[in-house]
Amino acid sequence: AQSVTQLGSHVSVSEGALVLLRCNYSSSVPPYLFWYVQYPNQGLQLLLKYTSAATLVKGINGFEAEFKKSETSFHLTKPSAHMSDAAEYFCAVSDTSNTGKLIFGQGTTLQVKP
Amino acid sequence: DAGVIQSPRHEVTEMGQEVTLRCKPISGHDYLFWYRQTMMRGLELLIYFNNNVPIDDSGMPEDRFSAKMPNASFSTLKIQPSEPRDSAVYFCACTYRGRGGYTFGSGTRLTVV
Repeated sequence: AQSVTQLGSHVSVSEGALVLLRCNYSSSVPPYLFWYVQYPNQGLQLLLKYTSAATLVKGINGFEAEFKKSETSFHLTKPSAHMSDAAEYFCAVSDTSNTGKLIFGQGTTLQVKP
Repeated sequence: DAGVIQSPRHEVTEMGQEVTLRCKPISGHDYLFWYRQTMMRGLELLIYFNNNVPIDDSGMPEDRFSAKMPNASFSTLKIQPSEPRDSAVYFCACTYRGRGGYTFGSGTRLTVV
């Protein structure tokens, strides 16, 4: 069965600092991987996705993620944090049976300090 | 496209009452998912449909929960009778062919008192 592990339920950075949110997955076949962001009192919004093309994926709001097969990782980064980046971030992997089902991690809350 | 539309945005009801949550997916999307989000359990998949047919309802917590998708443009999630532990945010999401990622609705915040 596929699974996703997000390391660190809470991450705190200073404004302008590097953001690094960690995600590791398990999958027996090449996965499709996603990062979602959830702002308070809103639904989840797709940040970026990896679908077996380029391993470095660029998303919205200056975020990017790199697929590393050898490490089974898909970490999310942003060079310089902004106050508006404070939110909860979810990593997800697609179900290998091609049912359309996504397996979500537990989420990481990003706090940005002024 | 207006995206995924959920109604109501907020629902407060008394224990024992029936609650119906509604979702209008994006036109043409063939998969529809219902999720529940709580602080304790995070995002839980309740049920999902493909081409209006329920595929997997193993996440439905108990018989008090039921979901229907009578056509491609409408789905409901019903709780009868409701209990305080059902208080959560319920999300509807949809996708086309499953590989592009989901589009989520804004959710319904349910409070059962």
